[in-house]
Amino acid sequence: KAGVTQTPRYLIKTRGQQVTLSCSPISGHRSVSWYQQTPGQGLQFLFEYFSETQRNKGNFPGRFSGRQFSNSRSEMNVSTLELGDSALYLCASSFQGFGLTLGQYFGPGTRLTVL
Amino acid sequence: KQEVTQIPAALSVPEGENLVLNCSFTDSAIYNLQWFRQDPGKGLTSLLLIQSSQREQTSGRLNASLDKSSGRSTLYIAASQPGDSATYLCAVKSGSNDYKLSFGAGTTVTVRA
Repeated sequence: KAGVTQTPRYLIKTRGQQVTLSCSPISGHRSVSWYQQTPGQGLQFLFEYFSETQRNKGNFPGRFSGRQFSNSRSEMNVSTLELGDSALYLCASSFQGFGLTLGQYFGPGTRLTVL
Repeated sequence: KQEVTQIPAALSVPEGENLVLNCSFTDSAIYNLQWFRQDPGKGLTSLLLIQSSQREQTSGRLNASLDKSSGRSTLYIAASQPGDSATYLCAVKSGSNDYKLSFGAGTTVTVRA
């Protein structure tokens, strides 16, 4: 099975711009979660989508949004970029169903640099 | 709110020595606990997943134990190799209606040849 893929792998943007990141989960996984990783804050949960619905959200401002498509692919959007948004953005997929909550499997991440 | 702590923050050992990495969590009502490895600038690689009903999991040189009542998990890596040098993260899945992972800050391991 192919793993979780994320595109693009690297992005450089300037303050005030917006950016869209994409994540394709492992085949059969319907849950996709997004995380932000920075040296100072570590890994922080952004949001989770399951069957095209946002099921859970972390403590990030409304500039961070996402969506999930019917094929379980997910996109994350950040508007009005700030310097502090520079981070590694990680996407994870998991299988949930039939009373099971299994592990999360991560993609390679998108490295966003805001200048 | 689930708090996950990993001690030590960094560890340096000579090749061949066994590694012991610790993870503690504050809320014992967990679904599962997962250990990950992260190489610099890269994503997370899942190493072991322990369901809440399990006490341990093993994969090759890796063994992870879980003690829910005391809120602890330990990752053992036998006969360490330079290729084991990485940051190891512990993550706990818990919550009544949400399924997010709470991560520790990680233990950075250096195995000296």
